[in-house]
Parts: sequence; C-alpha cells; structure tokens
Amino acid sequence: SAVISQKPSRDICQRGTSLTIQCQVDSQVTMMFWYRQQPGQSLTLIATANQGSEATYESGFVIDKFPISRPNLTFSTLTVSNMSPEDSSIYLCSAGSGQGIYEQYFGPGTRLTVT
Amino acid sequence: AQSVTQPDIHITVSEGASLELRCNYSYGATPYLFWYVQSPGQGLQLLLKYFSGDTLVQGIKGFEAEFKRSQSSFNLRKPSVHWSDAAEYFCAVGGNAGNMLTFGGGTRLMVKP
Repeated sequence: SAVISQKPSRDICQRGTSLTIQCQVDSQVTMMFWYRQQPGQSLTLIATANQGSEATYESGFVIDKFPISRPNLTFSTLTVSNMSPEDSSIYLCSAGSGQGIYEQYFGPGTRLTVT
Repeated sequence: AQSVTQPDIHITVSEGASLELRCNYSYGATPYLFWYVQSPGQGLQLLLKYFSGDTLVQGIKGFEAEFKRSQSSFNLRKPSVHWSDAAEYFCAVGGNAGNMLTFGGGTRLMVKP
C-alpha cells in the first residue's frame, strides 16, 4: 500500500482567492486522483492526473477552476481558483499503481472553508 | 455508466452485535468492488476489495464482504461490532475505463454501548 500525505490539512480562505493543495506519496505511482467531498456527501472525482500528460477532468470540473500539476511519480498539486463559499469541501487525493484496475489509497484530506 | 447505491444512510447497532451494510452496484462487465471506511476528520481507508475468484473476501478489522452477481450486491459484514467501528462506510465500484472509482452515498454507522 501507499502512504499519502496532504498539505495543508485545513484552511480558511477568502472568496476570490486561490489555494494550492499538495499531495505526496511515499512511493512511485502511475495514477493519482483528486476528489471532492462536499459536507455530508460522498466523494466525487474531479480529475485523474498522470505524470507527463494533462490531467483528465470529469464532467462539471474544468482546468481553469481546478488546475492540476503532476511533475513526477510521487507528487501532485490541485489548485482551487477564484474560490467561492460553494467550494467549501474536503479535497482528497488518492494514488493507484499497477495495471488495469487499481486499488486506490487516500490521503487524509484537506478541509477547505471559504468565507 | 457505473453506479453504486447504499440504501441505508444511517445504521445504529449495539456493541457486540452483528453488522451488515448493503451495497448494490450497476456495471456492464465484471465489476471491481471496494469498501472504504472514513472515521471523523480522516481520509478513507481501504477495508477490502473484490477483483475476481472467491466471492467471499476478507478484509482488515474483522470485516468481510460477499459478492453476489445475481443480486448485483457486495454487502459488508462483521460478526461483532466494536465501538471503534463507528464511522462512515463507502462502497465503490471501478472498471477499466480510466480506472475511475464511483462511490456510493455512504452509510453512517453508530454503535450503542
């Protein structure tokens, strides 16, 4: 299994600003994923991040709002841009490796509150 | 499109009692199924997974789940619940299309002393 850390663990941000969340994995992984968990809700996939290629975004999520970087096989960032109170959520990254379907291991999440 | 339904939003059981959390999935081919647990303020921890083979899978913390293709179900069970099992439980289905996981809505488990 992979051990995943995220920074920051939580933040309170003002409307209109941006926040970059970092995700670090303790081993090299092929795919990393970013999810959003709105208050009291389940997880929704934002995008899949492969090293060396552009992130693939799910319906309803766009690169201008959620730019993602994946500079190497152990690290990724997600930026939440031009934030509004509706962006208040927990943002989780996960990592998978191997061929075909992957087990995904999750970071502890970043709890974001936008005021 | 793949989907997961967890019919029970909340379940309360007494400590020491048995537990079954329901999960129904929709997927066009052989599904890859997972159960995760999320304790308050924590990320998700993988409890167990089903890829193929034996339809009864064992996981961590004494949990098991049974894959029933005819019922499109993957219910999670534990014979004796401990107070520390109180958490949110998510069932998820994955497939080869981008390896995307689709999560159910979650079941919040409360344990009575």
